[in-house]
Amino acid sequence: QLQLQESGPGLVKPSETLALTCTVSDGSFSSSSFYWGWIRQPPGRGLEWIGSISYSGSTYYNPSLKSRVAISVDTSNNQFSLKLRSVTAADTAVYYCARQGESYHYFDYWGQGTLVTVSS
Amino acid sequence: QSALTQPASVSGSPGQSITISCTGTSSDVGSYDVVSWYQQHSGKAPKVLIYEVSKRPSGVSNRFSGSKSGNTASLTISGLQAEDEADYYCCSHAGSGTLVFGGGTKLTVL
Repeated sequence: QLQLQESGPGLVKPSETLALTCTVSDGSFSSSSFYWGWIRQPPGRGLEWIGSISYSGSTYYNPSLKSRVAISVDTSNNQFSLKLRSVTAADTAVYYCARQGESYHYFDYWGQGTLVTVSS
Repeated sequence: QSALTQPASVSGSPGQSITISCTGTSSDVGSYDVVSWYQQHSGKAPKVLIYEVSKRPSGVSNRFSGSKSGNTASLTISGLQAEDEADYYCCSHAGSGTLVFGGGTKLTVL
């Protein structure tokens, strides 16, 4: 059974960079059939797609976050990572990593999520 | 890229059917047959219920069904059960590899 696990600091200071890593438990990570995405959810609010990456490193980003976001892949460790620069309190959210199904357009496996709070 | 529009809340009694709408534009929902739906219980990660408008992943109850007409997609839950009480989100491709979620709908089982 595929598992995804987010990891990273739970507290980030304003204006600094939020950095999270998602570790994928099985061999589907190396398949060209899948993309891997980041989604966030501010407390009490809805889901927001941040961006996605393929095993080969092709990326797509939410236009509203594109200027501050970078997603990268570490194939040797079955991981992909998120960096979000110049954070503010509005970036406080639960951050999820997820696998996108073979048609790209949906998320079939999700991590448990990790809360990141932006505060001084 | 604006969030898709969903009703903030819907409710129904056990055994009834309810429908949640998801309205987008001709640039997202109306252009692609790839709407997906997610169920999220409090404090948990979302779970996919429907993908590509009306397909159900293995293991998802056939009480959940999806459809689309024009710029609006719909999720119908039949035979409502107490365990269906959760938040529901739609998602669509919005062009150029981007994805957009709906604002979410809270389902209350009376």
